[in-house]
Amino acid sequence: EAGVVQSPRYKIIEKKQPVAFWCNPISGHNTLYWYLQNLGQGPELLIRYENEEAVDDSQLPKDRFSAERLKGVDSTLKIQPAELGDSAVYLCASSSSGTAEQYFGPGTRLTVT
Amino acid sequence: QKEVEQNSGPLSVPEGAIASLNCTYSDRGSQSFFWYRQYSGKSPELIMFIYSNGDKEDGRFTAQLNKASQYVSLLIRDSQPSDSATYLCAVNRGPGTYKYIFGTGTRLKVLA
Repeated sequence: EAGVVQSPRYKIIEKKQPVAFWCNPISGHNTLYWYLQNLGQGPELLIRYENEEAVDDSQLPKDRFSAERLKGVDSTLKIQPAELGDSAVYLCASSSSGTAEQYFGPGTRLTVT
Repeated sequence: QKEVEQNSGPLSVPEGAIASLNCTYSDRGSQSFFWYRQYSGKSPELIMFIYSNGDKEDGRFTAQLNKASQYVSLLIRDSQPSDSATYLCAVNRGPGTYKYIFGTGTRLKVLA
């Protein structure tokens, strides 16, 4: 069974530029999470989807961050414009509906210069 | 008080010893508890989850949950150098929610 797929794995951009991350969850997993992880910290939830519905986006900085999961499968997280403080690893995770066990993708390491 | 607290370590144990990792949480309504292993530069990998008070064993790993004292621990028996990693504790925020709070992790070093 294929795991959670994320791309790109690494991204370097200048501040004020836009950036997008893509995630394809484990097949059959209806719940998808986007997390941000800073060095030496645990992952912090940005947004959670149940199918195509964003059920928890309270931690998403909506002035610059947006996310979509149009068909309830893969998802895109966008930052526009990026700031220096956005440099971090962006993790996607998925789980089956009604279960709590989350499985993470390899992450995208973003560097904003 | 942080919602989920872990000692950052490093916790150093000799090869073959038992490594004991601890996590405390503040929300008494939490019902789901997870341990993730994260190697440097890699993403978290789920290794154990526990929902009921008591012990849960899986191979060399044992998760222990004490809801009255609000702590969850992970024991690693016969520690190997390959167990050297950061171990993250995650707890759901409130009953019946799928919002998880992660601790900052404990770095484990198993010395050969």
